[in-house]
Order: sequence, then C-alpha cells, then structure tokens
Amino acid sequence: GNSVTQMEGPVTLSEEAFLTINCTYTATGYPSLFWYVQYPGEGLQLLLKATKADDKGSNKGFEATYRKETTSFHLEKGSVQVSDSAVYFCALSSNTGNQFYFGTGTSLTVIP
Amino acid sequence: DTAVSQTPKYLVTQMGNDKSIKCEQNLGHDTMYWYKQDSKKFLKIMFSYNNKELIINETVPNRFSPKSPDKAHLNLHINSLELGDSAVYFCASSPDGQSLNYGYTFGSGTRLTVV
Repeated sequence: GNSVTQMEGPVTLSEEAFLTINCTYTATGYPSLFWYVQYPGEGLQLLLKATKADDKGSNKGFEATYRKETTSFHLEKGSVQVSDSAVYFCALSSNTGNQFYFGTGTSLTVIP
Repeated sequence: DTAVSQTPKYLVTQMGNDKSIKCEQNLGHDTMYWYKQDSKKFLKIMFSYNNKELIINETVPNRFSPKSPDKAHLNLHINSLELGDSAVYFCASSPDGQSLNYGYTFGSGTRLTVV
C-alpha cells in the first residue's frame, strides 16, 4: 500500500540554520510527491512538488528531490527564517490520482 | 477571491447538538474532500466527492454525513456531536480527481469545539 513517513518533531532551529526534514515513502506505481506547509491558524498550502523521479521541487528557498532509489523526498532549506515556523507535511499522491497520503507533520520553530 | 472557502471558521457547541460546516470552491475542480486534523496535527481523510458522487468514504461514524448539491459545494453535517469530534476540519479540492499533478487546494479550516 501507500504510506508516508516523516521525521518526528518538534524541530527547533536558530535563524539562518540549515534545515532538513526527512520524508520517505512506500508506494505502488509512480506517485507524485508534495510538501505542504501549515502556518499557525491557517490551512495547508502547497509548498513544492515533484511528479517524477529525479525531479527537484523548489519554492521560497525550500528544495526537495524525488529519489526513487531511496524512496525519499527530504525537504531542505539553506537558511531558515523566523517566518518559516510552521508545520510541514510530506504527502504522496497515488498514481491513480484518487487519494493523498499525508505524513504526520513536522513542527518547525525558528528562534531569532 | 478565496479559492476554497469554509464557514464557519470557529464553531463551539454543546454535546448532542447537530451542526453543519459548509465548503465552496471557485476553482472549477471536480473533486472535493473533507479531512479531520486532530490535536497532534494528524490529517485523516473522511470523504471525497467527484462531481457530486461519493468516491471515498473512510471509516467515519455515520453521525457524519456529507452532502454535495453541486460540484462546487461539499457540506458536512454532524449529528449528536461528541467531545471526540473536537478537531479542525479541512475542506480541499483537486481537478478531475487527478491530484497526481496538481495536488490539493485547502480551505483555511473550521475549528470545532464540543463542550
């Protein structure tokens, strides 16, 4: 079946630190992979996506590369800001496109 | 223009009451979803409708009943509310049920508190 496993949080970093949030997946076929971000009190917003192996999604300084060989889609940012404090969700879309599978979310707090 | 809008944003009600949450999307998407997010931020799909037809119905108490009058609206009615129903409920939509390329667009959530 399909599933997504994220590193557990919470994660606390100082401003300008390097961020990695690990995400691995299990899927049949060729899924698409996504990162969503949820700021406090808000809904989920699409941060970036990759639809095939070796694709790199990027947005707002965040990057993630679709690695089929390691079934991973780790989120990275070179220098985090206080405004990046949020909950980050890794997600997988089945190749039938009918359902998303979300990870458990990783809470990030960036301190000045 | 809000793409996926939910009302109300906050809902506080007593146990045993019946309440509804409304969702509307103006994106022209064919598929809409309801998710429940618990206090630990875990997201669980509840229902999915494609062009007014129910396509996903996860294990949810039958006190929860979705209704889709047209493909732009998906409402959630909850009967006999219980304390454990307290959560944030998110509506989402995607084009043609093909989230593979487009992902989902989420509403801002309805925080339901049952007292």
